[in-house]
Amino acid sequence: DGGITQSPKYLFRKEGQNVTLSCEQNLNHDAMYWYRQDPGQGLRLIYYSQIVNDFQKGDIAEGYSVSREKKESFPLTVTSAQKNPTAFYLCASTMDSGPNQPQHFGDGTRLSIL
Amino acid sequence: QKEVEQDPGPLSVPEGAIVSLNCTYSNSAFQYFMWYRQYSRKGPELLMYTYSSGNKEDGRFTAQVDKSSKYISLFIRDSQPSDSATYLCAMSENSGYSTLTFGKGTMLLVSP
Repeated sequence: DGGITQSPKYLFRKEGQNVTLSCEQNLNHDAMYWYRQDPGQGLRLIYYSQIVNDFQKGDIAEGYSVSREKKESFPLTVTSAQKNPTAFYLCASTMDSGPNQPQHFGDGTRLSIL
Repeated sequence: QKEVEQDPGPLSVPEGAIVSLNCTYSNSAFQYFMWYRQYSRKGPELLMYTYSSGNKEDGRFTAQVDKSSKYISLFIRDSQPSDSATYLCAMSENSGYSTLTFGKGTMLLVSP
């Protein structure tokens, strides 16, 4: 079955540590997205990528970094500069980067601070 | 003023009730409107997708868009306990490339 796989499901970060969240899709989609979801805050866009080797900052990119070396993979690194990283992180993809594309989501990674 | 407003709930209804979920928005450039359902500890899944104004029906679900009032609705008929989830509205502009703007979600609880 085609879909988006996020791993791990749960992740713990120590102070001063960088952690990387994995997102893989086998839908052959061009565009991929990372969101952060906090209680009562809805989904906020961190980074998005329309094509391999290209990505743009979203609304809350500070303290995060991404790469897009392969079409199917879009890992997110939460750096030590992100002072409030505890949240539910969601990865999504669309077939292309046009405005009429509904997004398909993975099942998320819940990140907590130790 | 926030771009998309959505009552967080929770909205509690008995099984079999008709449910109405709503979002209002301020950006008149929004053209594409979506409803997602999100179960606890899961990612959102697309329920309904509409373009511009009008109605769309899919089984027990009906999506309505009123662009003149900047108001969208999702109706659920014959609600079931399995409909208990958070419902997120999302919308985007009709420009060359546009990201989605999400509402904060409404939690729905359907009791047997």
